[in-house]
Amino acid sequence: GQSLEQPSEVTAVEGAIVQINCTYQTSGFYGLSWYQQHDGGAPTFLSYNALDGLEETGRFSSFLSRSDSYGYLLLQELQMKDSASYFCAVKGKGSYIPTFGRGTSLIVHP
Amino acid sequence: EPEVTQTPSHQVTQMGQEVILRCVPISNHLYFYWYRQILGQKVEFLVSFYNNEISEKSEIFDDQFSVERPDGSNFTLKIRSTKLEDSAMYFCASRGQESSYEQYFGPGTRLTVT
Repeated sequence: GQSLEQPSEVTAVEGAIVQINCTYQTSGFYGLSWYQQHDGGAPTFLSYNALDGLEETGRFSSFLSRSDSYGYLLLQELQMKDSASYFCAVKGKGSYIPTFGRGTSLIVHP
Repeated sequence: EPEVTQTPSHQVTQMGQEVILRCVPISNHLYFYWYRQILGQKVEFLVSFYNNEISEKSEIFDDQFSVERPDGSNFTLKIRSTKLEDSAMYFCASRGQESSYEQYFGPGTRLTVT
């Protein structure tokens, strides 16, 4: 089976940098994704890591360490609109279906 | 920009009734998915569909659920006899062949079973 752990809530101020961690347990590993979901909205794909290291996409970066079964999403220059839930999702080998974590609620204060 | 659409946005039904949730995936996508999200909880996979058949399904997707692609554009989820615990947001998603991981989600249908 697959399981993921991420903090339930993170708070930060506008302009700051925040890191949302995700640890996972999976039988076989194919990749780690991150999704953003605003209240009442659909999940939106942010990033995907299949190999170790950092992937940068604008203000958002995602990191993966397969040996530690760990990844994180880094959000820089935080804006109020970044207040949302962030889900990590892992895909095990042999499946294209991601298993989602319970999500981290990010609250950005002025 | 192409997007996944879902109808209705909100469906209220009585326990025991059948409901059909509709989705129009992105036109050149070949892989289709249904997920549900109970209020305040994580997104849960229900079923994936490719080449006119179910490719994977979860334990949640029991005999009361079915999916269909009745024509070249629609993808539906039917719940035969709804239960109170089926109340959730149901998301449809689709994926193209160019990416093995990036799924595009629709805006969801909020199902309320009374």
